[in-house]
Amino acid sequence: EAGVAQSPRYKIIEKRQSVAFWCNPISGHATLYWYQQILGQGPKLLIQFQNNGVVDDSQLPKDRFSAERLKGVDSTLKIQPAKLEDSAVYLCASSLRLATDTQYFGPGTRLTVL
Amino acid sequence: SQQGEEDPQALSIQEGENATMNCSYKTSINNLQWYRQNSGRGLVHLILIRSNEREKHSGRLRVTLDTSKKSSSLLITASRAADTASYFCATDITGRTPLVFGKGTRLSVIA
Repeated sequence: EAGVAQSPRYKIIEKRQSVAFWCNPISGHATLYWYQQILGQGPKLLIQFQNNGVVDDSQLPKDRFSAERLKGVDSTLKIQPAKLEDSAVYLCASSLRLATDTQYFGPGTRLTVL
Repeated sequence: SQQGEEDPQALSIQEGENATMNCSYKTSINNLQWYRQNSGRGLVHLILIRSNEREKHSGRLRVTLDTSKKSSSLLITASRAADTASYFCATDITGRTPLVFGKGTRLSVIA
């Protein structure tokens, strides 16, 4: 079974630039999550999708972050414009159904904002 | 907001020794999960313990849950160098809300 795929693995941008991350969850997984993990901390949920609908985006900085999950499969997370404090690893995870199911994580995208 | 807090923040042991990590949380939970993260990688689910369970085993892992003290512990027996990683507890409050992760314990197993 293929795992959660993410790209790119690394990205370096200047502040005020835009960046987009892509995630392909495990086939058949209805729930998809985007997390932000700042160095030395645990992952913080940014947004959760159930199929192609948003379940929770309460911690997503909506003035600069946006995410979509077209057709309930792949997802993209965008930051526009980026700030220095956005430097982090962005993790995508998926689970079969509910938030309580085991979550399967991708390798993450390490973003550095200069 | 951080629901779970792992303790200690860092732990260094010799190969073959046991490693114990603790997690304390603030509100009642539906279940508690432990994840491992190797350096530069995503998280890997280790074990889930429900609020009505007190102990679970999986291979060399043993997890306990004390809901009266709002705490959990993860024991890794006969540790190996490959166990070197960060370990996170994550709490699920209602069964429908997102998991909330702690800051993690960084475990180093020295060969």
